[in-house]
Amino acid sequence: DTGVSQDPRHKITKRGQNVTFRCDPISEHNRLYWYRQTLGQGPEFLTYFQNEAQLEKSRLLSDRFSAERPKGSFSTLEIQRTEQGDSAMYLCASSPDSFERLSAETQYFGPGTRLLVL
Amino acid sequence: RKEVEQDPGPFNVPEGATVAFNCTYSNSASQSFFWYRQDCRKEPKLLMSVYSSGNEDGRFTAQLNRASQYISLLIRDSKLSDSATYLCVVTSNDYKLSFGAGTTVTVRA
Repeated sequence: DTGVSQDPRHKITKRGQNVTFRCDPISEHNRLYWYRQTLGQGPEFLTYFQNEAQLEKSRLLSDRFSAERPKGSFSTLEIQRTEQGDSAMYLCASSPDSFERLSAETQYFGPGTRLLVL
Repeated sequence: RKEVEQDPGPFNVPEGATVAFNCTYSNSASQSFFWYRQDCRKEPKLLMSVYSSGNEDGRFTAQLNRASQYISLLIRDSKLSDSATYLCVVTSNDYKLSFGAGTTVTVRA
């Protein structure tokens, strides 16, 4: 399977613990995105990387959240001191860096990491 | 006001029926428009892009009305496998997708 992969698929943690999620994008895709989805809502944009550069962070990404993409390939999303409100599905997506706008905008999503904070 | 608003449904339709639903968007600078499909507890998957002139992909027809800032999706000859949540998506740049909350469609035998 050459799609976007995420690990772990499920995570249960206690409030106050730190968690880290990993995303492996489609190999030829330079762009990588993180979204968060809560029940009954659509995904909400969190942050965006072009290669290793983090180019935008949403206001949803509080200082407890940090994302990295150190070598421009896989990315990690860390949540420190988790709160119950962090419970959600965290989705990673990737797209090619293309001069053709529609191609660059077509994002391919991974299966997500479902986080439950007790 | 949310950037993208959708009727949440659910739309319950029999197999073979036609179902249509809309979404509205607030940012008049939005450039590109999509419909994504999301099955229960799965990731969103691109169903189709929406072009200004409207476009079809098999049984699916999408329309865009820039003046009124709404997008529609019509599904003809519904199949059981069409049961899903349909997410309306707009973007005003080439990296940040803004999703609606989704419209749930259930096709019954």
